[in-house]
Amino acid sequence: AQSVSQHNHHVILSEAASLELGCNYSYGGTVNLFWYVQYPGQHLQLLLKYFSGDPLVKGIKGFEAEFIKSKFSFNLRKPSVQWSDTAEYFCAVVSKAAGNKLTFGGGTRVLVKP
Amino acid sequence: NAGVTQTPKFQVLKTGQSMTLQCAQDMNHEYMSWYRQDPGMGLRLIHYSVGAGITDQGEVPNGYNVSRSTTEDFPLRLLSAAPSQTSVYFCASRRDPQRATEAFFGQGTRLTVV
Repeated sequence: AQSVSQHNHHVILSEAASLELGCNYSYGGTVNLFWYVQYPGQHLQLLLKYFSGDPLVKGIKGFEAEFIKSKFSFNLRKPSVQWSDTAEYFCAVVSKAAGNKLTFGGGTRVLVKP
Repeated sequence: NAGVTQTPKFQVLKTGQSMTLQCAQDMNHEYMSWYRQDPGMGLRLIHYSVGAGITDQGEVPNGYNVSRSTTEDFPLRLLSAAPSQTSVYFCASRRDPQRATEAFFGQGTRLTVV
């Protein structure tokens, strides 16, 4: 079945540490990829998106993600996290083969300790 | 600039009661959808609509009904609430159902069924 997988359910970091969150998908064909963030008590907000072109995508708040087509991956990175990055992060995919529905991974809760 | 508006924010229901979660968007988006968010499971698609008068089932449609009489509104109805429907519900909209555009989310409705 087509799916989106996020490898880590929980990540705990100290401030200034680097962050990398894994995301893999199983859709074939053309895909569009997203990372959303949900701060405590808030709704989802878009961090960054990949539609085409340069596979290294830069988003808001210093986040970036790399699309590796051969690995069906779209990992999120931030070189130096801050306490305010404490949130839940969701990878999501839109695939034409799956009817253009936005499908989410299970999410990764990130806790940044001051 | 309201975006996607959901009401209510919180609701407690007794088993067997019915209710409607309201969702409205003012961006003239064609595509609207309802998700439920449960710990460790990310967001799962309940129902979606690609335009007024057109609705379809998502991943977890059982126990929920929707209708789309206008472009702006996409209410979600629980006909007979069950404890398994305790969740946080998000409404989302996208401009174009045929292309992968950014999804905008409402603030969410936290529903508890006792």
